[in-house]
Amino acid sequence: DIVMTQSPLSLPVTPGEPASISCRSSQSLLHDNGYNYLDWYVQKPGQSPQLLIYLGSHRASGVPDRFSGSGSGTDFTLKISRVEAEDVGVYYCMQALQATFTFGPGTKLDIK
Amino acid sequence: QVTVRESGPALVKPTQTLTLTCTFSGVSVTTSGMCVSWIRQPPGKALEWLALIDWDEDTYYSTSLKTRLTISKDTSKNQVVLTMTNMDPVDTATYYCARISPGPGCSGGMDVWGQGTTVTVSS
Repeated sequence: DIVMTQSPLSLPVTPGEPASISCRSSQSLLHDNGYNYLDWYVQKPGQSPQLLIYLGSHRASGVPDRFSGSGSGTDFTLKISRVEAEDVGVYYCMQALQATFTFGPGTKLDIK
Repeated sequence: QVTVRESGPALVKPTQTLTLTCTFSGVSVTTSGMCVSWIRQPPGKALEWLALIDWDEDTYYSTSLKTRLTISKDTSKNQVVLTMTNMDPVDTATYYCARISPGPGCSGGMDVWGQGTTVTVSS
């Protein structure tokens, strides 16, 4: 199975400041079709997870443009250009290259 | 608008078989390109992917749990069903069902999630 790691695991951020989360996979997630099969999700307190980014860099419907995904192969980054109070939650990356999907351990973002 | 709702028992005994149901509204589970996953989350822990079924009813399972899981469709009820055998207290978790947005090879991201159903395993 592909193993996913994330850093940092805890991320305190001042509102208005940028934030960045790194995700690494044990195998390349770059498919022959040119897409990276990597998603980002956020689980806000008391809520179900929600999709932020799919195929490495595509923002899901309704996701603010302050969220962006980048990277290729085994190294990926989720960036929030200006953190807002509503962005508090746990952020997960997940590989979808192999039909046996795997999540990262999660990064807890909170407000300083 | 696509919605999904999970249902099942809140409490099961060790060694019993758990059956969970995911009911869709606004989309047919037989739609071409339709992929559905189950995911769980033990209390205070990370998300764990469990299983996937696609529009052709091909199925895929977590390597560590594959011997205990079965995912299937009940097209007459527009549902996806997950069974997990030989339940143990470590299986106590919130179980989520999610629709994967159409994309190449079930890759469009899990864009519709249910609210989750909490299952406790205890004698």
